[in-house]
Amino acid sequence: KQEVTQIPAALSVPEGENLVLNCSFTDSAIYNLQWFRQDPGKGLTSLLLIQSSQREQTSGRLNASLDKSSGRSTLYIAASQPGDSATYLCASTKAAGNKLTFGGGTRVLVKP
Amino acid sequence: GAVVSQHPSRVICKSGTSVKIECRSLDFQATTMFWYRQFPKQSLMLMATSNEGSKATYEQGVEKDKFLINHASLTLSTLTVTSAHPEDSSFYICSAVAGDNEQFFGPGTRLTVL
Repeated sequence: KQEVTQIPAALSVPEGENLVLNCSFTDSAIYNLQWFRQDPGKGLTSLLLIQSSQREQTSGRLNASLDKSSGRSTLYIAASQPGDSATYLCASTKAAGNKLTFGGGTRVLVKP
Repeated sequence: GAVVSQHPSRVICKSGTSVKIECRSLDFQATTMFWYRQFPKQSLMLMATSNEGSKATYEQGVEKDKFLINHASLTLSTLTVTSAHPEDSSFYICSAVAGDNEQFFGPGTRLTVL
């Protein structure tokens, strides 16, 4: 059974600092991995999707890497802004159309 | 990205009534949708997998007669909470799987049962 872990559970940084969010998974046989953002009381916003054959994906200030052999994915957010404050979740799926297995999330606070 | 809507966004009902929540994929077709519930400051808990044209698959511990799921078209899945009680109060979120297997989530429905 796949287990996804995100450490730390919470992170506070000053504005402008780069953010590094970690996600680890126990079963390397994943189909893809997604990073999401959730604001309080809202749904999830998809940030990046990495297919199992890919090593990284980039979108603006966001970059996500995937290392299946070590069971890790890392989300980098460059030059953090207060608007980046949210909970970030990673999730993997083992086959097309299958359910996502979520990590517990990392709650990020970017202080002005 | 693709858009998923949920309706209503917030509902308050009396104990014993039934509540229907709709999940729609607005600009893509979704053979598979998922229903989650989320308690405050906790991660999402998968309730069931909704497949168009077939019965939903429920996670262990989720009562299928309590939470009725209907996926009647490629753009609509509904979750009906039957005979709702205060312990059913929660944040319900759906997701839909797009063609490249990326999942997109709705904005959620806050259910409060008095």
